[in-house]
Amino acid sequence: AQRVTQPEKLLSVFKGAPVELKCNYSYSGSPELFWYVQYSRQRLQLLLRHISRESIKGFTADLNKGETSFHLKKPFAQEEDSAMYYCALSGRNTGNQFYFGTGTSLTVIP
Amino acid sequence: EAGVVQSPRYKIIEKKQPVAFWCNPISGHNTLYWYRQNLGQGPELLIRYENEEAVDDSQLPKDRFSAERLKGVDSTLKIQPAELGDSAVYLCASSLDALNEQFFGPGTRLTVL
Repeated sequence: AQRVTQPEKLLSVFKGAPVELKCNYSYSGSPELFWYVQYSRQRLQLLLRHISRESIKGFTADLNKGETSFHLKKPFAQEEDSAMYYCALSGRNTGNQFYFGTGTSLTVIP
Repeated sequence: EAGVVQSPRYKIIEKKQPVAFWCNPISGHNTLYWYRQNLGQGPELLIRYENEEAVDDSQLPKDRFSAERLKGVDSTLKIQPAELGDSAVYLCASSLDALNEQFFGPGTRLTVL
């Protein structure tokens, strides 16, 4: 089975503190991993994908195949980072079927 | 560019009634997705189209749900008859192809009474 697990439903951090949103996956083969974000009253949108290996809005995520993880990190959280974050997985083994995690609601406290 | 357009934005119906949702993807996007998102959960894929062909509908409850994408552009998702458990947000997304970024619509929030 191909699954994505986000163990934290809620996460609160203070402004300026580091933040890490956890994502673990199960997949037979080489997955493609994504982070999607939904800000208040906005649409779900792509934040970053692992193959891009880029930093978006200060966020980075490294695919760790040994730990089957794709945690999202930012060294200094900002208030505008408060949003719902979803980890997602796709891959050729599943016919490019897309699986989303249950999401983590991040609140950055001023 | 308006992005992915969905209508209606909200729909309230009584159980056993039919309901339909419409999606207009971004121009030129060959792949179209319908998702259902229950409260507190992530989106769950219902069906994926490559042009007008449904290539993945394994999660679509076929006894009451149907979808079509005539001419490979707009798509309609129908529920007949609706049940209480169908209350959810129905999201449409599109992408250039299955390997590219998905762009989501605003969703239709369905309430079944």
